[in-house]
Amino acid sequence: QQQVKQSPQSLIVQKGGISIINCAYENTAFDYFPWYQQFPGKGPALLIAIRPDVSEKKEGRFTISFNKSAKQFSLHIMDSQPGDSATYFCAASASFQKLVFGTGTRLLVSP
Amino acid sequence: GAGVSQSPSNKVTEKGKDVELRCDPISGHTALYWYRQRLGQGLEFLIYFQGNSAPDKSGLPSDRFSAERTGESVSTLTIQRTQQEDSAVYLCASSLPELDGYTFGSGTRLTVV
Repeated sequence: QQQVKQSPQSLIVQKGGISIINCAYENTAFDYFPWYQQFPGKGPALLIAIRPDVSEKKEGRFTISFNKSAKQFSLHIMDSQPGDSATYFCAASASFQKLVFGTGTRLLVSP
Repeated sequence: GAGVSQSPSNKVTEKGKDVELRCDPISGHTALYWYRQRLGQGLEFLIYFQGNSAPDKSGLPSDRFSAERTGESVSTLTIQRTQQEDSAVYLCASSLPELDGYTFGSGTRLTVV
């Protein structure tokens, strides 16, 4: 019940395209859903986060869509750029407790 | 400091030796977390410190793993009698209380040979 399932494992998108990464969870106590971006040799960095009281949050080219009834959330990267090539992790937590991470998606944006 | 600092950045050790990994959190961050990331894998929770509360050790994989934190500052993760399966990047993160966003360090890459 503590797991967060992430898909796909890897993704190749052409420059200018839309990258979509999906996550699903079981624990209905989760109330915070962040996405992290990790470049090789670096620690993950917080990209964008959402709480279940809204269905969508947009920051620049990055959008989180949240479906509370389906217990799913997704990251959309619009106009994907080669600099977006990285590993993306979804995560979830309940009441400011530790984050549970998905298994990661390796994104490659081809020039 | 400006960010979470971890040392060493790389550590190669012989099987059976003990290692200590250090984490300096952001000043004022009362919450501190250790995660393990095996090559090409996700982040595996190890241990969580929050202020003066008892740490959440539920993620430690065996009794060879232990961690300490002095007040709200430095933390040390110790792995005794290292095994090859301990090879991974060990990531430390810190956050303010009541704030969900973590700031991660760049990690310590541990290689057990």
